[in-house]
Amino acid sequence: DAGITQSPRHKVTETGTPVTLRCHQTENHRYMYWYRQDPGHGLRLIHYSYGVKDTDKGEVSDGYSVSRSKTEDFLLTLESATSSQTSVYFCAISESGQGAMGNQPQHFGDGTRLSIL
Amino acid sequence: RKEVEQDPGPFNVPEGATVAFNCTYSNSASQSFFWYRQDCRKEPKLLMSVYSSGNEDGRFTAQLNRASQYISLLIRDSKLSDSATYLCVVNMDTGGFKTIFGAGTRLFVKA
Repeated sequence: DAGITQSPRHKVTETGTPVTLRCHQTENHRYMYWYRQDPGHGLRLIHYSYGVKDTDKGEVSDGYSVSRSKTEDFLLTLESATSSQTSVYFCAISESGQGAMGNQPQHFGDGTRLSIL
Repeated sequence: RKEVEQDPGPFNVPEGATVAFNCTYSNSASQSFFWYRQDCRKEPKLLMSVYSSGNEDGRFTAQLNRASQYISLLIRDSKLSDSATYLCVVNMDTGGFKTIFGAGTRLFVKA
């Protein structure tokens, strides 16, 4: 299995609080992604990174920010969580990807179940 | 029209059956294709890549039809452990590459 660790695995928090999810990889892959998965919507891309300090928005980026200060870590922050952000969040990595000749598949972490009350 | 479409199912089949999933994509400039499997409350896992000439991995066969813009996954001799959701994934060149995930097809294999 690809060396991807997401933390925390589960979190319950209240509306209006900040939340940060962490994705850590040991594969030295250039590309990292954050997705959310909700019933009826499948996987939707929030943000992705194509290198240290290089990030771009996905299709559902409103209310989320990301940072990548090291190759191995990609952080997703909800500045002020809302109930609509209750979801399962997956981090993924790939050797090549978004914006490039994306012939390499993505590999996923175990996911973070986030509930916002 | 969605960029990648799958029949949501569910497909309910007995053990030993052969089952086929289709997935259509809208962009003819699509470059690479994959099938993933996702178990309940788990992460998606790569099942197999789909090559132009078609490819097989044990009981699983994937095919690509570029003219009709669809890919297929055939599972022979279904096992109980094959019960999962199968996601079709397409890498598209839309003036910048992007990966699109289908919503998935649910499969239940019953004894």
